[in-house]
Amino acid sequence: AQSVTQLGSHVSVSEGALVLLRCNYSSSVPPYLFWYVQYPNQGLQLLLKYTSAATLVKGINGFEAEFKKSETSFHLTKPSAHMSDAAEYFCAVSPMDSSYKLIFGSGTRLLVRP
Amino acid sequence: DAGITQSPRHKVTETGTPVTLRCHQTENHRYMYWYRQDPGHGLRLIHYSYGVKDTDKGEVSDGYSVSRSKTEDFLLTLESATSSQTSVYFCAISHQGRGTSAYNEQFFGPGTRLTVL
Repeated sequence: AQSVTQLGSHVSVSEGALVLLRCNYSSSVPPYLFWYVQYPNQGLQLLLKYTSAATLVKGINGFEAEFKKSETSFHLTKPSAHMSDAAEYFCAVSPMDSSYKLIFGSGTRLLVRP
Repeated sequence: DAGITQSPRHKVTETGTPVTLRCHQTENHRYMYWYRQDPGHGLRLIHYSYGVKDTDKGEVSDGYSVSRSKTEDFLLTLESATSSQTSVYFCAISHQGRGTSAYNEQFFGPGTRLTVL
């Protein structure tokens, strides 16, 4: 069965520092991949998606993610953290053979220190 | 923002009582989903619908039922609520899904916080 692993339930960075949130998936066939962000007391908002068109994907709010097939990874990065980036981030996969599904990782809460 | 509303937004109920949560969309999307969100588990799929009166189970469907009598509404029912069903429930919609090769970009509602005492 497909699974998604997000390393680190909490990540803390200083404002202006690099943000790196890790996501690894288990699949023999590269799936579609997504990053969602959830601000407090809100629903999930799509940050970016990988649909096999390009391995480096740019999203909203300055975030980007790189698909690496050899590492089965889809890590999320942002060069310079802003206080407003504090939120919970979820990686999700949509298997190619059952594309109606989204399988979510357990989430990483990003804390941004002033 | 996708036109998705959930009602109620907050509910406190007692063990053994029935509870119905409503998801309403104005996007005319075919596919609708119910998830629950619990700390350390991310979001887990309860049930989904691929059309009016067409529904199927997700990974955590025990204790839940759903109904979809029209495109815009998807109801989640807890027949007899238990404390283990205390959670935040999210509805999502997509216009692509089962039977297509397109990726499944889902749009989420604001959530319903349910507490079962």
